[in-house]
Amino acid sequence: AQTVTQSQPEMSVQEAETVTLSCTYDTSESDYYLFWYKQPPSRQMILVIRQEAYKQQNATENRFSVNFQKAAKSFSLKISDSQLGDAAMYFCAYRTAPLAGGGADGLTFGKGTHLIIQP
Amino acid sequence: DVKVTQSSRYLVKRTGEKVFLECVQDMDHENMFWYRQDPGLGLRLIYFSYDVKMKEKGDIPEGYSVSREKKERFSLILESASTNQTSMYLCASSLSREGETEAFFGQGTRLTVV
Repeated sequence: AQTVTQSQPEMSVQEAETVTLSCTYDTSESDYYLFWYKQPPSRQMILVIRQEAYKQQNATENRFSVNFQKAAKSFSLKISDSQLGDAAMYFCAYRTAPLAGGGADGLTFGKGTHLIIQP
Repeated sequence: DVKVTQSSRYLVKRTGEKVFLECVQDMDHENMFWYRQDPGLGLRLIYFSYDVKMKEKGDIPEGYSVSREKKERFSLILESASTNQTSMYLCASSLSREGETEAFFGQGTRLTVV
């Protein structure tokens, strides 16, 4: 079974600074997807960024980027120029590639990192 | 925009009651999921379904069942609610196509069993 580990229960950063959230995972699969989701106080889970394991290039979405190290099974999220609206729980998640004949596996989530932005 | 709607944001039920949590998605997604979220434990998969009338157990299915009679609707059932089922419940849906792997979530139902 796959496992996802987020070793930082809480992180704090000054507004406009850069912060990196850590995530490691364990899998025997070669084809899979990794995600970072954000959950603000509204509780709505929002996809921040996605990485396909077969792509060597790190994904980037505006101020959000990842450092994907497949061999090390590491998938960290970097938030540049932190803003007050970035304050939230951040979850790292793993999913195996969709099955050829259909079907699905659910996402496996880490326990989350609570990100605090200091004004 | 994909929309996943859960029938209640807050629910209070008594121990032993049968509880139904409903989830509806409007984007014709094949896959639907129920997660439970508890502080310090993250999200844990209870059940999922990849087609109408199909269901698969997740990591923590004990005490729960599900129903999927129509493609857009996935119900989570607590046959006899217990206090240890007090939690946040999140429904999600996704496509099965290669490359279309994002899961879309509902707004969550905070269930309290007293």
